[in-house]
Formats: sequence, structure tokens, C-alpha cells
Amino acid sequence: GNSVTQMEGPVTLSEEAFLTINCTYTATGYPSLFWYVQYPGEGLQLLLKATKADDKGSNKGFEATYRKETTSFHLEKGSVQVSDSAVYFCALVNTGGFKTIFGAGTRLFVKA
Amino acid sequence: DTGVSQNPRHKITKRGQNVTFRCDPISEHNRLYWYRQTLGQGPEFLTYFQNEAQLEKSRLLSDRFSAERPKGSFSTLEIQRTEQGDSAMYLCASRRDRSLTGELFFGEGSRLTVL
Repeated sequence: GNSVTQMEGPVTLSEEAFLTINCTYTATGYPSLFWYVQYPGEGLQLLLKATKADDKGSNKGFEATYRKETTSFHLEKGSVQVSDSAVYFCALVNTGGFKTIFGAGTRLFVKA
Repeated sequence: DTGVSQNPRHKITKRGQNVTFRCDPISEHNRLYWYRQTLGQGPEFLTYFQNEAQLEKSRLLSDRFSAERPKGSFSTLEIQRTEQGDSAMYLCASRRDRSLTGELFFGEGSRLTVL
């Protein structure tokens, strides 16, 4: 079946450090891939997405590239801020599907 | 666009009691989803509606759980005879039927604590 695996947290970084959160997936067909973010006390919200191989999603300085050959969608940011502290979820929707499958989430703490 | 609204935000109940959660989706969204999230885990799919039709239920959804979406507007999730293992955050999300991105719009969740 379809599944998403992401690196365990928490990840603790100092402000302005480089961030990578790894995400790999298992799916039939050609899924769309997503990163959602959950800030403290708020609901999940879409951070970025990519709908086909080699697409790069980007938003708020975050980027992720859809790599079909490695079935990966790693999240990166060149310089994190304290305000980026949140839980990040990698997710997929399979081709023609209606159901979003989420990874377990990775909590990020950024220290000033 | 007022967003997805869920209530109550918090519910504490005793084992064996029934609880009901309500979700009001974004008005033009005809797909509505319920997910459950436990500590340290991602959201797990429970069930899904397209308009008023419930199209799929997860095996996670035991017969103590029932969801409805009368008239294709708001939805309710009822848990009968609650157990301590039902303690979790219950998330509602909605989207357009023909969304190009497949993006889900989530509410803030309803946290259930079963004592």
C-alpha cells in the first residue's frame, strides 16, 4: 500500500542553520507529494507541493524536489528562523486518489 | 472563506460515555475528511465524504464510530461507549472535488480525553 516515511525528530537547530528533513514514499502510479506544517496551537496547513517527477515545490524559503528515482521528497531550507519551529508532515495523494497519506511528522525546534 | 471550523475544541469524558464532534467545512468544498492524530504520529485517515455520501471508511473506524454529513454541509463524528484508546485529536479537513493541487484545508481539531 501507499506509505510515507520521514526522519524522526525532534530536530534542534540554531537560527540561520541549514535544514533538511528526509521523506521517502511508497506508492503505485504517480502520486502528488506535499509538505504540511503545523505551528503550535494551529491546524495543519499546506507548505508546498509537487505533482510530478522533478518538480520543485517552494514556499517561505522552503524547497523540496520530487525525486522519482529515489522515491524521495526531502524538505530543505537554507537558513531557519525561530518562527519555523513547528511539526512538519510529508504526505502523498496517489494518482486519481482521494485520500492523503501522512508521515509521522518531524518536530523542529529552532533556537535563537 | 472562514476556514474549517471544529467544535468542541476539547472534550473530557468518562469511559463508556458517548461524544459527538462537529465539523463545518469551507462552504464550497464538497469533499470532507476525518482524521485521527495521536501524540507523535501523523494524521490517520478515518473516513471521507463526497457531498452527503460517505465513500470510504478506514478499518480504524470500529462500529462504535459513526459519521454523517446530512445535506452535504457540516459533518458529525460520534463515538459511542468511549474507551481510553479513543483519546486523540480528531481532525476535519475539506477540499474541492476537482482541486488541481489536492490540498486539504484543516480545522484546528477536537481533542478528546477519555478518563
